[in-house]
Amino acid sequence: KAGVTQTPRYLIKTRGQQVTLSCSPISGHRSVSWYQQTPGQGLQFLFEYFSETQRNKGNFPGRFSGRQFSNSRSEMNVSTLELGDSALYLCASSAARRTSTDTQYFGPGTRLTVL
Amino acid sequence: GQQVMQIPQYQHVQEGEDFTTYCNSSTTLSNIQWYKQRPGGHPVFLIQLVKSGEVKKQKRLTFQFGEAKKNSSLHITATQTTDVGTYFCAGRNFGNEKLTFGTGTRLTIIP
Repeated sequence: KAGVTQTPRYLIKTRGQQVTLSCSPISGHRSVSWYQQTPGQGLQFLFEYFSETQRNKGNFPGRFSGRQFSNSRSEMNVSTLELGDSALYLCASSAARRTSTDTQYFGPGTRLTVL
Repeated sequence: GQQVMQIPQYQHVQEGEDFTTYCNSSTTLSNIQWYKQRPGGHPVFLIQLVKSGEVKKQKRLTFQFGEAKKNSSLHITATQTTDVGTYFCAGRNFGNEKLTFGTGTRLTIIP
């Protein structure tokens, strides 16, 4: 099976712009989660989607949003970019219907740099 | 909110020495998972522990879940250069399905 894929792998934006990142989960996986990874804050949970519905949400401002399509592919959007949004954005998919037992399969990430 | 701390933050060991990282949650967990992230890579799932006091082994790696389900540890025996990376624990609360990652322990090996 192909793994989780994320596009683009690298992105450079300027403050105030918006960005859309894409994630394709492992075939058959219906849950997609997004994480932000920075050296200072570690891995921070952004949100999780299951069957096109947001199931969980982390403590990020409303500038961060996401969605999931009927084929389980997911996108996340960050509007009005700030310097502090520079990070590695990781997408993870899982197969289990019950979130309490699933394991996360991570994609390679999108490295976002905000100038 | 839930916090998951790991110690130490960094660990440098000679090849062949043992290594242990500890994970402590501010709340009781329903289960805990461990991930490894190689430099420049992405986190890769290692194992999940569910039962109080559970111990699982994978070759040179031993994982333990505390009796109170608030802490966990990962022990590597006789480290090798392939063990280099950052080890994260990740836990879920009962009733809160968000997966909270620990702060991570970065392991470097001195050949």
